[in-house]
Amino acid sequence: EDQVTQSPEALRLQEGESSSLNCSYTVSGLRGLFWYRQDPGKGPEFLFTLYSAGEEKEKERLKATLTKKESFLHITAPKPEDSATYLCAVQGNTDKLIFGTGTRLQVFP
Amino acid sequence: EAQVTQNPRYLITVTGKKLTVTCSQNMNHEYMSWYRQDPGLGLRQIYYSMNVEVTDKGDVPEGYKVSRKEKRNFPLILESPSPNQTSLYFCASSPRGGFGKNIQYFGAGTRLSVL
Repeated sequence: EDQVTQSPEALRLQEGESSSLNCSYTVSGLRGLFWYRQDPGKGPEFLFTLYSAGEEKEKERLKATLTKKESFLHITAPKPEDSATYLCAVQGNTDKLIFGTGTRLQVFP
Repeated sequence: EAQVTQNPRYLITVTGKKLTVTCSQNMNHEYMSWYRQDPGLGLRQIYYSMNVEVTDKGDVPEGYKVSRKEKRNFPLILESPSPNQTSLYFCASSPRGGFGKNIQYFGAGTRLSVL
């Protein structure tokens, strides 16, 4: 059964304090791993797609990496505006996206 | 502006009173989907549609119906809502489904309370 587990559930960082969010997955035939950002009261917003182990993508202070078992979302020198819930999802051999429960990130000044 | 539009954003109803949540996208996407989001359970797929007149069940389809008569619209129908359908609902669309490159774009959500 396809499954996604995200850790930690919640993370509090001081502004400028870099850290990483983890997404562990099991899937039959990975077709893509997706990272989304979700702000309170809003729908998820697409950040990255990764397709194969070793792939990396960057956007501003965020960098996503992928291995055969997990993905990391590295946040470098975060700012308060990076506070949000970050969702990871995988697509395997089916048409479905399987989502994790997310990591709630708070960055305080 | 490219977007997925859901209505209403908030809805309070009573058990058994039929309701419809509308979803419309202006990106000419073939693939559309409905999710519900509950604390501790994440986003779970209710139904999806690969194209007009083609729909299929997701992980939690019980108690829901959908239709796809036009490419842009994908309404979610609750024929007889029950309190366990109280949740936050999201509609999403994608240029194509069934492939690894189908980035899904989400609406702003509909918060439903069934009393």
